[in-house]
Amino acid sequence: EAQVTQNPRYLITVTGKKLTVTCSQNMNHEYMSWYRQDPGLGLRQIYYSMNVEVTDKGDVPEGYKVSRKEKRNFPLILESPSPNQTSLYFCASSLTASRGTGELFFGEGSRLTVL
Amino acid sequence: AQTVTQSQPEMSVQEAETVTLSCTYDTSESDYYLFWYKQPPSRQMILVIRQEAYKQQNATENRFSVNFQKAAKSFSLKISDSQLGDAAMYFCAYRLVFGNEKLTFGTGTRLTIIP
Repeated sequence: EAQVTQNPRYLITVTGKKLTVTCSQNMNHEYMSWYRQDPGLGLRQIYYSMNVEVTDKGDVPEGYKVSRKEKRNFPLILESPSPNQTSLYFCASSLTASRGTGELFFGEGSRLTVL
Repeated sequence: AQTVTQSQPEMSVQEAETVTLSCTYDTSESDYYLFWYKQPPSRQMILVIRQEAYKQQNATENRFSVNFQKAAKSFSLKISDSQLGDAAMYFCAYRLVFGNEKLTFGTGTRLTIIP
């Protein structure tokens, strides 16, 4: 089944404790991206990657890191989480917009709470 | 920068009736995609309908159709014969075909179906 898988789905942590949210897709997509969703703000892009070893900042990158060592994986790293990073996080992937239908395929979301 | 505006934070409709959700966007580009995504209580992001900017014909998917007005930069979603399962948050989104391929979202419209 074609899917984007993210883990963990739920996480409660404390300020300053490093954490990683994993994301994996099995559709051979070049493009991958992370979004955060906050009430009243919609979804905002954190980082994206056009292909292996190519990453770039989105609209709200502060406090986050990413890497793209393999095509299928795109982990999101919070080196020192703070309470303002409490949010719902989505990983998404697609073919590059010019090659496919433009549709982004989303993971099921990761609810992160930082105390 | 591209922006997407959904001016209706909440809407409600009687079951079996028709409802229209509004969306406007701002861009100076000519090649782009527009989408409506649905987010039910499960939080999953589900594609409802997509429109390619170069196509004049409005997209239709079963009970869902759009009114795409390119000159006015308007992209509304019409849901006919509303069903209880249509209750969700609906997000309008924009994506460039070339260049920065991020999906830019509106802030969402919460749709309630009244039995």
